[in-house]
Amino acid sequence: EPEVTQTPSHQVTQMGQEVILRCVPISNHLYFYWYRQILGQKVEFLVSFYNNEISEKSEIFDDQFSVERPDGSNFTLKIRSTKLEDSAMYFCASGRDSGNYEQFFGPGTRLTVL
Amino acid sequence: AQSVTQLGSHVSVSEGALVLLRCNYSSSVPPYLFWYVQYPNQGLQLLLKYTSAATLVKGINGFEAEFKKSETSFHLTKPSAHMSDAAEYFCAVTPSGATNKLIFGTGTLLAVQP
Repeated sequence: EPEVTQTPSHQVTQMGQEVILRCVPISNHLYFYWYRQILGQKVEFLVSFYNNEISEKSEIFDDQFSVERPDGSNFTLKIRSTKLEDSAMYFCASGRDSGNYEQFFGPGTRLTVL
Repeated sequence: AQSVTQLGSHVSVSEGALVLLRCNYSSSVPPYLFWYVQYPNQGLQLLLKYTSAATLVKGINGFEAEFKKSETSFHLTKPSAHMSDAAEYFCAVTPSGATNKLIFGTGTLLAVQP
């Protein structure tokens, strides 16, 4: 059964460093998402991406964040200069179409900023 | 603004007992509603979804949920709990037609006692 994969499973970085979180969505999906979950808090929407551009972003998704689909398979989230408060679990999700509304989630990347 | 509230961050039931996880939503337009489950060290898996068709929705693993507009609720139930149901459960909402982003509740951790 196709699934969304994410690498790495755990990333530790120093404050101020750049990190790139990688996702491989399900191959025939067209809609891509990033969410995050700070420990003990709810899962929060960051950004949605369709047709090679951002379709929606939350107020969390500021200039320090960017997303990219560099080839036909990967979908990346970059944080340019990490802060302590960026420590969280980051989930990638993909969906086949907007009408379906079903999003398939990856296992997450735990980001720890020291 | 749309939101969901999950009553009870921890619920414990005995194996074979009824499972009831509560979710109330707040939405100014007819919402689409979802229940996701997260097993340890895994991503979020869709259990079921309500998209304005039948108000009683059946999902995977014997779970079902009923959309009650008068009560703004979408509670998740299962007649008989199994040990394998132990996981964290998230209710989520997305307003129909406007956006695909999911707005999650804070989650309910279900423990099943033998």
